Amino acid sequence: QSVLTQPPSASGTPGQRDTISCSGSSSNIGSNAVNWYQQLPGTGPKLLIYNNNQRPSGVPDRFSGSKSGTSASLAISGLQSEDEADYYCAAWDDSLNGVVFGGGTKLTVL
Amino acid sequence: QIQLVQSGTEVKKPGASVKVSCKASGYSFTTYGVTWVRQAPGQGLEWMGWISPYNGNTNYAQKFQGRVTMTTDTSTSTAYMELRSLRSDDTAVYYCARRGTGRDGYNLYAWLDPWGQGTLVTVSS
Repeated sequence: QSVLTQPPSASGTPGQRDTISCSGSSSNIGSNAVNWYQQLPGTGPKLLIYNNNQRPSGVPDRFSGSKSGTSASLAISGLQSEDEADYYCAAWDDSLNGVVFGGGTKLTVL
Repeated sequence: QIQLVQSGTEVKKPGASVKVSCKASGYSFTTYGVTWVRQAPGQGLEWMGWISPYNGNTNYAQKFQGRVTMTTDTSTSTAYMELRSLRSDDTAVYYCARRGTGRDGYNLYAWLDPWGQGTLVTVSS
């Protein structure tokens, strides 16, 4: 049981926009920044979004992040087949004194 | 380029220990932390803790307290994670990642980038 809650799966067709949600509490998302990581099949995770809505260099602007209260979202516009991956949200938790992850969302591009 | 290269696959028996290495290159090793995260087969990511190569300070997840030790060797820019008293449910891919921080007004934030390629540790009798 993950501390942050994500839907286990999401899907969309090429060109569509999709959104993945991440729900937490006041001790994590409510008081700390949210990061998003992308894990392509058979590879290690890659930083996609940091500090709620910032993109590292090299990440396409099709990916965007937002946060409101104790929830966060990752939006992917113009879906492409190469976006098929697992997506994880993460945040520091003040009560646990550590990083907590969501359970991951498997995105399928139909 | 900035990269973290981890040691190879390990197979251990229950009760044994494993020590995974993570060699950093392309950046100043003591300027960033090193975090360890594991992923059991078909499961999500689990944070184990992190170490500051600058001063050796560590912060372990409560779940692993007493069973894990993270160290660094600044002369070779290498971080190590040792896990003791292995059980079958420790079977996982273990990742190291560079931990960076920033400040946004009064708020401090951290991120993990890049990640190592992962080390598979299998615990089986």
